[in-house]
Amino acid sequence: KAGVTQTPRYLIKTRGQQVTLSCSPISGHRSVSWYQQTPGQGLQFLFEYFSETQRNKGNFPGRFSGRQFSNSRSEMNVSTLELGDSALYLCASSFTAGTSKWQETQYFGPGTRLLVL
Amino acid sequence: GEDVEQSLFLSVREGDSSVINCTYTDSSSTYLYWYKQEPGAGLQLLTYIFSNMDMKQDQRLTVLLNKKDKHLSLRIADTQTGDSAIYFCAVATNDYKLSFGAGTTVTVRA
Repeated sequence: KAGVTQTPRYLIKTRGQQVTLSCSPISGHRSVSWYQQTPGQGLQFLFEYFSETQRNKGNFPGRFSGRQFSNSRSEMNVSTLELGDSALYLCASSFTAGTSKWQETQYFGPGTRLLVL
Repeated sequence: GEDVEQSLFLSVREGDSSVINCTYTDSSSTYLYWYKQEPGAGLQLLTYIFSNMDMKQDQRLTVLLNKKDKHLSLRIADTQTGDSAIYFCAVATNDYKLSFGAGTTVTVRA
């Protein structure tokens, strides 16, 4: 079974621009989560989606947004980029049987490395 | 929120055992994970343990969970040069997210 795929793998943008990152989960997985990884802050949770609904959002400004499509693929968007948005953005997917308790193992993609100049 | 703490560095001789420790604060944690990250790569799931277990063994990996002390450890037997990487402890709670430690950089020396 193919793993989690993320596109693009590398991206260079300038301050003020916006960017859209894409994530395709493992086939059959319905939950997609996004994390930001930086040397200073480590791994921080951005948001989680299940069946096109955002169930949780991390402590990030409104410039960070996401969505999930009916095929479980997900995108995240960052508008008005700042230098501090330079990071590795990781997407993870899990099966999630639809129960109220979120327990399934998350599998991560290779990430999109964003550099903001 | 959940706080997860790990020591930052570990140096180990090839062939020895490595032990990476992690502490967490949220007693309602369900699953606890160990991920490995090599340079320039994403996170590779190594193993996980459910909160009602004390120990889990998977080939060279042994996970120990002390729920009373909220302490998790990962032991890697017969450590090899390919085990050099950053290891992250992660804790799942019931709000659909993982909380990660800062990562332990493991260096394997010949």
